[in-house]
Amino acid sequence: AQTVTQSQPEMSVQEAETVTLSCTYDTSESDYYLFWYKQPPSRQMILVIRQEAYKQQNATENRFSVNFQKAAKSFSLKISDSQLGDAAMYFCAYFPRGNQFYFGTGTSLTVIP
Amino acid sequence: EPEVTQTPSHQVTQMGQEVILRCVPISNHLYFYWYRQILGQKVEFLVSFYNNEISEKSEIFDDQFSVERPDGSNFTLKIRSTKLEDSAMYFCATLGARTDTQYFGPGTRLTVL
Repeated sequence: AQTVTQSQPEMSVQEAETVTLSCTYDTSESDYYLFWYKQPPSRQMILVIRQEAYKQQNATENRFSVNFQKAAKSFSLKISDSQLGDAAMYFCAYFPRGNQFYFGTGTSLTVIP
Repeated sequence: EPEVTQTPSHQVTQMGQEVILRCVPISNHLYFYWYRQILGQKVEFLVSFYNNEISEKSEIFDDQFSVERPDGSNFTLKIRSTKLEDSAMYFCATLGARTDTQYFGPGTRLTVL
């Protein structure tokens, strides 16, 4: 069964500090992709970062980076220098190639000024 | 950058009425998806569509739902007789030939009264 687990329903971080959001997934596939999406109050799904499972190097996008541990099936998101605009729901998603997306239940991130 | 568009952004309807949600995929994308997100919950897969037919559907996608691509551009989701529990955000997503990233539309908020 393809499942994605986000064990932190809510997180908070001081502005300019660093926060890490956790995600684990269950799969028997070897070729897949992992994503983090940000969902602000507008509820639009905004792609934050993408990781290809066959790449050992962790993806980075400016202040966002991931810690991808394939053997442990773990895919955490680190946000550095947190900004007020980072406040949102964050969804981890698992995507076996050519198939549907499987989403976690989300983590609500609050940024404290 | 090309993007997926959805109309309307918000639809209010009476229980039992039919609604059609529309999506304009990114040009030259071949795979199309509908997802649903009930307020406060995770994003759930409804259906995938390829080569003018459904390739996969979830248990949510019962006989009240249908999809089609009537004119080669729009991709529609029809709910024949809406129920209160159909109130949700509906996201369209499309996938290109690289099959590694789904691009999400901004969503349609459906409210059933």
